[in-house]
Amino acid sequence: NAGVMQNPRHLVRRRGQEARLRCSPMKGHSHVYWYRQLPEEGLKFMVYLQKENIIDESGMPKERFSAEFPKEGPSILRIQQVVRGDSAAYFCASSGTGGFYEQYFGPGTRLTVT
Amino acid sequence: DQQVKQNSPSLSVQEGRISILNCDYTNSMFDYFLWYKKYPAEGPTFLISISSIKDKNEDGRFTVFLNKSAKHLSLHIVPSQPGDSAVYFCAASANNQGGKLIFGQGTELSVKP
Repeated sequence: NAGVMQNPRHLVRRRGQEARLRCSPMKGHSHVYWYRQLPEEGLKFMVYLQKENIIDESGMPKERFSAEFPKEGPSILRIQQVVRGDSAAYFCASSGTGGFYEQYFGPGTRLTVT
Repeated sequence: DQQVKQNSPSLSVQEGRISILNCDYTNSMFDYFLWYKKYPAEGPTFLISISSIKDKNEDGRFTVFLNKSAKHLSLHIVPSQPGDSAVYFCAASANNQGGKLIFGQGTELSVKP
């Protein structure tokens, strides 16, 4: 399966714990995007990364959230000291060329904070 | 500030008829538009896209129309099939804003047999 992979699919964390969400882009894609979908809402852009570079993080909350896309391995979205409001579906997408080309999404990670 | 709006949260259509999903946008810098289909507990699936230099793009049963002067786009599905039942999101992108997509709130389409 050469599609976008995300793991875990479901993640339960208690308030104050850390959440790590992983994304492996589609084969041949080097651009990764993270989006968040809160209940009853559309997807909201969080961050756009290329290998070892953050290109646009204008949608990332200023605190507790960070993202990376290392030279080797998957992209990681990290949420420190999670709160109940972080409960959402987090989707990763990849594209073969940055800019306005089509993005292909993974199945998402559903984070529940208890 | 909702730059991309889908004003109909739901739409019900009879199998075989046409489904028309609408989307409005406010940012005149948007130059590329996409439609995604999403089933529950899955990621969005890319359906069809259109550049702002065109007013129509067709792919099988799916056609997207763009009216730049009205800042409006629509997705036509004909004929509609029960398997088309899903949430449909329109999204927009601006070349000067890098790769990020701005999504509407979604329209839930139900196609009844």
